This record gives sequence, C-alpha cells and structure tokens, in this order.
Amino acid sequence: ELKVEQNPLFLSMQEGKNYTIYCNYSTTSDRLYWYRQDPGKSLESLFVLLSNGAVKQEGRLMASLDTKARLSTLHITAAVHDLSATYFCAVDLNNDMRFGAGTRLTVKP
Amino acid sequence: DGGITQSPKYLFRKEGQNVTLSCEQNLNHDAMYWYRQDPGQGLRLIYYSQIVNDFQKGDIAEGYSVSREKKESFPLTVTSAQKNPTAFYLCASSTGQADITEAFFGQGTRLTVV
Repeated sequence: ELKVEQNPLFLSMQEGKNYTIYCNYSTTSDRLYWYRQDPGKSLESLFVLLSNGAVKQEGRLMASLDTKARLSTLHITAAVHDLSATYFCAVDLNNDMRFGAGTRLTVKP
Repeated sequence: DGGITQSPKYLFRKEGQNVTLSCEQNLNHDAMYWYRQDPGQGLRLIYYSQIVNDFQKGDIAEGYSVSREKKESFPLTVTSAQKNPTAFYLCASSTGQADITEAFFGQGTRLTVV
C-alpha cells in the first residue's frame, strides 16, 4: 500500500530564512507532485517531478526527487509572507494518487 | 476554457439523506479522483477512475458511491451510510497516460450536515 509522509507538519519561519520540507513515500514511483493550498481554497499545482534526480525551481521554491531514496524535498529560499500556505506532496502509482498530510507554513515578518 | 468544475460550491444535507456532488472536466483526461479533506487535515482518497465504466476504491470509500458513465463526468454520492460526511470534497483529473502531467483540481464542494 502506498503511504506518503511529510514533515514537518507545521512550520513557522521568519522572513528571509531558508528551510526544507520533506516528503517520503513507501512504494517505488517516479511521479511526484507538489501542490499549494491557501485556506478555504482548492489545490494549485507547483511542480511535477517525473524522474530520478529531477530538480525544478520557481521563484523561491525548489523541488527535487530522489526515487532511489523515495524522497522529495521542497526547499524554500529567503521566505516571504506570501509563501504562507499549506504544501502537499502527492505520489502517483498507476493513477492511484496519494497525498501527504501537508505542511502548514507560516512566514512571519 | 478547459478545466474541471465542481458543483455546488456549498451543500447542506439533512441526516439520512443521500446527496450527489458533481464533477465535470473538459480536459479530455482519462483519470478522475475524489478526495475528502477535513479541517486542518490532508487529502484522503475516496474513489478514483482510470477509464470510463471503471473505478476503484480509495482509503475511505465506505458510505460513498461513484459512477463513470462518461469520460467527462465523475459524480460522487454521499449516502446515509456515511456517518460523518461534513467535509471539503475535492475532485481532480489527470491524463492518466505515460506523458503524465499533474492532476488538476476543481474548486471543491463544502458539504455540511444540518
């Protein structure tokens, strides 16, 4: 059974600081996604990672995938308040897509 | 515009009633999903469908039913057997093919039992 674990579940950061969110999963898969959710809203796609060693960057966010370690990371550089949201990773195994519990990020001035 | 549409946005149900949540997509996607999200929690998979006339149970299928008679549509029925249905329900779709893209989500339906 595919299980996806994220940590930390809650993250409070100062503006300008760096931090990494981790996503571990239990079964071999080469399809991993990162999403952002603002309170009361739906999910917005951030990154699609489809192969071992894949790295993608958008603004202050960078995501990577290590399929051998079954690990993806979402790195935040020089955080700003606008990044406050909940971030989810999701792993796709033959169209059975499971989500981590989410990391609730709060960026404080 | 291509996209995925859920309706209604808000839904109130009396105890003992069945209600159906609509999900329609015009992205020509093969795979569709239903997730439940409780306040402050992650997403839990209810059902998913990889192709028309086929669907599989997710982690929390009890008390729910689905159908996939058309590629564009994947309605979810919350039955009276679901004892705690108050939650935010999200529908998603993806290509389901090897040239995978991410899943796209609808705006969600907030269901409340009154």
